[in-house]
Amino acid sequence: AQSVTQLGSHVSVSEGALVLLRCNYSSSVPPYLFWYVQYPNQGLQLLLKYTTGATLVKGINGFEAEFKKSETSFHLTKPSAHMSDAAEYFCAVSDRSTGGFKTIFGAGTRLFVKA
Amino acid sequence: GAGVSQSPSNKVTEKGKDVELRCDPISGHTALYWYRQSLGQGLEFLIYFQGNSAPDKSGLPSDRFSAERTGGSVSTLTIQRTQQEDSAVYLCASSSPSGGTTGELFFGEGSRLTVL
Repeated sequence: AQSVTQLGSHVSVSEGALVLLRCNYSSSVPPYLFWYVQYPNQGLQLLLKYTTGATLVKGINGFEAEFKKSETSFHLTKPSAHMSDAAEYFCAVSDRSTGGFKTIFGAGTRLFVKA
Repeated sequence: GAGVSQSPSNKVTEKGKDVELRCDPISGHTALYWYRQSLGQGLEFLIYFQGNSAPDKSGLPSDRFSAERTGGSVSTLTIQRTQQEDSAVYLCASSSPSGGTTGELFFGEGSRLTVL
């Protein structure tokens, strides 16, 4: 069975500082991994995804994540935080089931950016 | 429509009443998901429809919850005899056909349910 663990329900960084949001997963088959972002009063949207190939994936707004199979991790990073990055971030894992993809989400990490 | 459409956007009901929440997925998307988002609880998986396969109902929290999908398109999530703990935002998502795709989900804006 799949599961996702996000370490830290809240993360606070200063503007310009490194952003690191942690995600560990469990999957019985090679996973597809995702980060979604939910800005205040908006719906969820895809930030980036790992499917196959290069383990370092880049997404929108300068975010990137690295798939590390040995650590079962998919941590999200951004070198320099911006005020507009304040949002809730969800890590998700999916694998093929019954011809489609069942996707399980983590509990989310709320990112605060201080001026 | 261009995106996933959910209705109503807000629903206030009294404890014990039944509610129905509707989701209209992106045209052509064969997979449809319902999630529940409660404060501090992340996105809780409820149910997953994929084409004509039997739905995965493993996330439904009790037998008061049910969902159906008619004609492979519109879905309705029904909560019977609502309880205060059912108060949450119910999110619907759809994804494009399998086979070469990667399961990216497209979300609706959600239906906020408040049970008094």
